[in-house]
Amino acid sequence: EVQLVESGGGLVQPGRSLKLSCAASGFTFSNYYMAWVRQAPKKGLEWVATISTSGSRTYYPDSVKGRFTISRDNAKSSLYLQMNSLKSEDTATYYCARHSTGMDYVMDAWGQGASVTVSS
Amino acid sequence: DIVLTQSPVLAVSLGQRATISCRASQSVSISSINLMHWYQQKPGQQPKLLIYRASNLASGIPARFSGSGSGTDFTLTIDPVQADDIAAYYCQQSRESPNTFGAGTKLELK
Repeated sequence: EVQLVESGGGLVQPGRSLKLSCAASGFTFSNYYMAWVRQAPKKGLEWVATISTSGSRTYYPDSVKGRFTISRDNAKSSLYLQMNSLKSEDTATYYCARHSTGMDYVMDAWGQGASVTVSS
Repeated sequence: DIVLTQSPVLAVSLGQRATISCRASQSVSISSINLMHWYQQKPGQQPKLLIYRASNLASGIPARFSGSGSGTDFTLTIDPVQADDIAAYYCQQSRESPNTFGAGTKLELK
């Protein structure tokens, strides 16, 4: 069974940093592109980052580019999101997601989410 | 960025057909490949993939769900609607970066 379990969420002050982790199991992690998607309270979904299988290529929307860094450790089947210079608008539930192998960037498995609140 | 427009709410009776639409601000198709996908999200849960590439049923999804469309206009159909289908439904395009989602359609009981 595919499982994605996020951790590391919490309350953080504006301007500070936070690192999320995602532990993957039930599939060969190193064979899949991975992503982070967030959802602000009572709002829709927003793609945040994608990383290639080796970690050599990363992709971000303008809203987080330069502040967030996605990375992975294939030996540990783990995905990470380093979030710096956090803003109140980064408050959201952050989901770890697996891209399908079809290279069409559809997300076919999701974690249960980690809550991040940015507030003083 | 490609903007995806969905109606906020759709009210439907149990046993009836629900048709949820998603319109893109520009084409999300490449040749015959339609890079539009659909997700279901129940309250307090993570999203779940229902349909990929406009019309392909994801693994484990009941056959009462179906998808259609091409270019800029896409539809998710649930027929017949069951109580377990009450949820929010999101479309997502992967034609261009950044991948974008619609704002979601909340399926409610009439």
